[in-house]
Amino acid sequence: DADVTQTPRNRITKTGKRIMLECSQTKGHDRMYWYRQDPGLGLRLIYYSFDVKDINKGEISDGYSVSRQAQAKFSLSLESAIPNQTALYFCATSARPLAGYETQYFGPGTRLLVL
Amino acid sequence: GDSVTQMEGPVTLSEEAFLTINCTYTATGYPSLFWYVQYPGEGLQLLLKATKADDKGSNKGFEATYRKETTSFHLEKGSVQVSDSAVYFCALSAGEYGNKLVFGAGTILRVKS
Repeated sequence: DADVTQTPRNRITKTGKRIMLECSQTKGHDRMYWYRQDPGLGLRLIYYSFDVKDINKGEISDGYSVSRQAQAKFSLSLESAIPNQTALYFCATSARPLAGYETQYFGPGTRLLVL
Repeated sequence: GDSVTQMEGPVTLSEEAFLTINCTYTATGYPSLFWYVQYPGEGLQLLLKATKADDKGSNKGFEATYRKETTSFHLEKGSVQVSDSAVYFCALSAGEYGNKLVFGAGTILRVKS
């Protein structure tokens, strides 16, 4: 089984709808992240969480919210979806670094289309 | 702020050709540098990393050397295979304790048999 899973894998929704993307991990990591990928722009950080009670905004948090329900679960919500939120969304996890940097592990992605 | 610039693609090569994908960065402090690879339909996987100047990261025949004087981390492979076709992302660690990744735009590599 994959260490980092995302549901759904694909989603089509309409402008103004609320949707939730879910991420679960079995790696036992404290830290979780949400990114979006757009062609020609690479990945940009939306939100990140260093533990259940610690949520931080990333580079492009406007229009998004998150919930860290448990150490293993981190959900991303679009309260009122708009077409320019059409993108590929990735969840990632990492361990708490003992020193320096810890590798981030990515889920398979959720492809979202907002009509 | 911190940023990563990598060569635009797509890069199209014949099997067994030499590969170079250029990556340069701008950062405060001393970031760690990474190459991630994304195969079709999959998430990103760490390909290699280097944590300090002059370090060489290597994996699966790919190499990259952390060059502080030129702020570069170019990816190389001596002989590419069709199975190397993917999108390659250069990234650096940023933020306190280097917890956040800043990615380049990605370079599509297509290898023809």
